[in-house]
Amino acid sequence: QSVLTQPPSVSAAPGQKVTISCSGSSSNIGNNYVSWYQQLPGTAPKLLIYENNKRPSGIPDRFSGSKSGTSATLGITGLQTGDEADYYCGTWDGSLSAGVFGTGTKVTVL
Amino acid sequence: EVQLVESGGGLVQPGGSLRLSCAASGFSFRAYSMTWVRQAPGRGLEWVSYINGGTSTIHHADSVKGRFTISRDNAKNSLYLQMNSLRAEDTAVYYCARFEEVADAFDIWGQGTMVTVSS
Repeated sequence: QSVLTQPPSVSAAPGQKVTISCSGSSSNIGNNYVSWYQQLPGTAPKLLIYENNKRPSGIPDRFSGSKSGTSATLGITGLQTGDEADYYCGTWDGSLSAGVFGTGTKVTVL
Repeated sequence: EVQLVESGGGLVQPGGSLRLSCAASGFSFRAYSMTWVRQAPGRGLEWVSYINGGTSTIHHADSVKGRFTISRDNAKNSLYLQMNSLRAEDTAVYYCARFEEVADAFDIWGQGTMVTVSS
């Protein structure tokens, strides 16, 4: 049902780096900004990255975003146990006239 | 403090109706588009509905079109979701989220309200 595709899970040891991909199409990622959301267990989603690569106030620079064509990537460096969460990409789809989210990726710190 | 607080969730029988509310504070409510996003138990995020600040533009997901209606009262700084003909598959936590048009981002989220459709 989700229009944007993400890997189900990624994992790494503390201090290491992980990347999460988000694949879409020209009607969504290709022509709009991508944002990323962190959802800690039992809590509401929180904006992590907006306009492809910008961080809201309070978000550490360990989190980064990029976009190329119809795909986007979230990077997390210096992985911490507190980063264990579900991560979603999101944007607007002009053809559907609808908001769209990725399938979600669970980050596990080994 | 910028804040969104949802209310109105609960248990409802299949075919029943429910109205969700979202109270906004800490920002100029009428200046922002607003949305509803839901999350079924153990599942991912699903966008549900959108309304712009002036209420001139409304969109609903195909899965709820004809059954759900989004609305807002800018004088009361409130967002609503009227849900009719509810189905078991509508069971989810419903979040209201502010939509920042320039950034295509859902930048502020409420804590969510649980809707359970079951007999």
